[in-house]
Amino acid sequence: DAGITQSPRYKITETGRQVTLMCHQTWSHSYMFWYRQDLGHGLRLIYYSAAADITDKGEVPDGYVVSRSKTENFPLTLESATRSQTSVYFCASSEWGRDTEAFFGQGTRLTVV
Amino acid sequence: GENVEQHPSTLSVQEGDSAVIKCTYSDSASNYFPWYKQELGKRPQLIIDIRSNVGEKKDQRIAVTLNKTAKHFSLHITETQPEDSAVYFCAAPPSGGYQKVTFGTGTKLQVIP
Repeated sequence: DAGITQSPRYKITETGRQVTLMCHQTWSHSYMFWYRQDLGHGLRLIYYSAAADITDKGEVPDGYVVSRSKTENFPLTLESATRSQTSVYFCASSEWGRDTEAFFGQGTRLTVV
Repeated sequence: GENVEQHPSTLSVQEGDSAVIKCTYSDSASNYFPWYKQELGKRPQLIIDIRSNVGEKKDQRIAVTLNKTAKHFSLHITETQPEDSAVYFCAAPPSGGYQKVTFGTGTKLQVIP
């Protein structure tokens, strides 16, 4: 199916564990983004990518790692999960970044216990 | 989010009344001004956008106005209905030339039947 998909939809992990959230898009959009959404903070940008092998930090990158070896995939890894990383994570893509519509995945609800 | 202030953070209106949400930005380089709607438990989705060569754009009950001199753009919803209840986000202008997409802090709109 065309679009942008995230997996898993829900994840519970323990403090200190590594966890990877997956994001896949079928449009060949150049730009991809990861956001976290917490009550009272809106959508905060974690990392973004302008193309394969090009990534950069957003507003809240600490504790996260990204990679983009292929245009269609943009995984987000929490190297050592902390409770403060409990959140809803959204992946998004856009054709040309800031000046075009961003399309969001359905979100991943991550709970760190 | 950086580079944009969104107000109000919450808004309650009676069904049938109008709602206005405003975003103020600081970087005059932007030329694309979108608004996203996020229903409870769903992903954000674009509802309307405007480019800098246009002062106003309408789509049925929603409209966006842009004042580049004052550096603000607003979302107007007329004849509000209960299904308009959601969180609305504006997207922030670019910073330093990067094409990252950041968002205002969101406005939670409640339409009271």
